[in-house]
Amino acid sequence: GQQLNQSPQSMFIQEGEDVSMNCTSSSIFNTWLWYKQDPGEGPVLLIALYKAGELTSNGRLTAQFGITRKDSFLNISASIPSDVGIYFCAGPTSGTYKYIFGTGTRLKVLA
Amino acid sequence: NAGVTQTPKFQVLKTGQSMTLQCAQDMNHEYMSWYRQDPGMGLRLIHYSVGAGITDQGEVPNGYNVSRSTTEDFPLRLLSAAPSQTSVYFCASSPGKSVAFFGQGTRLTVV
Repeated sequence: GQQLNQSPQSMFIQEGEDVSMNCTSSSIFNTWLWYKQDPGEGPVLLIALYKAGELTSNGRLTAQFGITRKDSFLNISASIPSDVGIYFCAGPTSGTYKYIFGTGTRLKVLA
Repeated sequence: NAGVTQTPKFQVLKTGQSMTLQCAQDMNHEYMSWYRQDPGMGLRLIHYSVGAGITDQGEVPNGYNVSRSTTEDFPLRLLSAAPSQTSVYFCASSPGKSVAFFGQGTRLTVV
């Protein structure tokens, strides 16, 4: 079946640094969603993308819908300690409303 | 302002027992879904519903049943619990056909 691969799996960064992560699929997606999950909590939707090439920001977060429709990128600028968590991408499998999730990028910020 | 409410928060079952995980939302959302989250595997879709009376299978439906008799409620039934069903279960709802708001999760252990 379709899979979403996230890269990197985990990363340590210094506070104040910019962060980039991506999500790739073997097939075309028409929607990309990005979430953050804190320990012991459910994921929280950060950004939704609906059109190829779309660039959307939410505060220090910026996400892009790849032109090929097979990838998406999330950038965090000037990271702070509360950015720690797991970031997931998600999208609907082709022709359905079944939303599948990537395996996540675990972010750790060193103060 | 409850959002998506899941009960119970924690549960221990013996192999072979059955139980129902409850999920309720007070936002009049049409779309609801159930995911399980296992370590290192992200979230996997179990079942979803695009409206009252309509349900469909996700990626890992075996061993689970759902029904959607009202817009507000989307219970997940484990028919005969197995240790492989030990996981954290998340319910989500959305105004559109997406996955926007997650509950806090139910942590299930099957012994």
